[in-house]
Amino acid sequence: ILNVEQSPQSLHVQEGDSTNFTCSFPSSNFYALHWYRWETAKSPEALFVMTLNGDEKKKGRISATLNTKEGYSYLYIKGSQPEDSATYLCAPKAAGNKLTFGGGTRVLVKP
Amino acid sequence: GAGVSQTPSNKVTEKGKYVELRCDPISGHTALYWYRQSLGQGPEFLIYFQGTGAADDSGLPNDRFFAVRPEGSVSTLKIQRTERGDSAVYLCASSSQKAGQETQYFGPGTRLLVL
Repeated sequence: ILNVEQSPQSLHVQEGDSTNFTCSFPSSNFYALHWYRWETAKSPEALFVMTLNGDEKKKGRISATLNTKEGYSYLYIKGSQPEDSATYLCAPKAAGNKLTFGGGTRVLVKP
Repeated sequence: GAGVSQTPSNKVTEKGKYVELRCDPISGHTALYWYRQSLGQGPEFLIYFQGTGAADDSGLPNDRFFAVRPEGSVSTLKIQRTERGDSAVYLCASSSQKAGQETQYFGPGTRLLVL
């Protein structure tokens, strides 16, 4: 059973500011890391799938880095906008197909 | 194209009743997953289908929970003798291949409330 920690649990960001938050996971048996964005009353939206140590991925103003040796990933939001308000979930995958989700970081962007 | 759909979107039931939750995956996706998200937590894996068979049901909490996918497409999650602790958002996801890091595409979930 993977122990996945996301911090902080929640954060408030002023519109226009940049922010980042962390996902930590066991580095052993690592296969891939998934990031999702989940807005209220919508489907979780896939952001990134990362596999290699040192991977960096970017989608618009959102980017993520991966360190598989120490077992963490950072997700960054540049110039936060109100539409970025959501819960961001990370889910590492070991052998097999199931995802093990962290508790999420709830982001609220204030206009 | 059409994404993963789930019905009903909301379900209120009484303790002890039986419920069925339906998932329509993306057409052509062979892998289908069920997760459950309880308040304040991340989604928790329940069961994974590859085609018609349950490849991994290790996340089902007890024998009151059962899921089927008889034709390898639509899946139904069945909960018998519901308990208040079963209240959660039940999420379904599908993906195109049976192994690897392929993205799992999620539906909007069914919000189950057991009174």
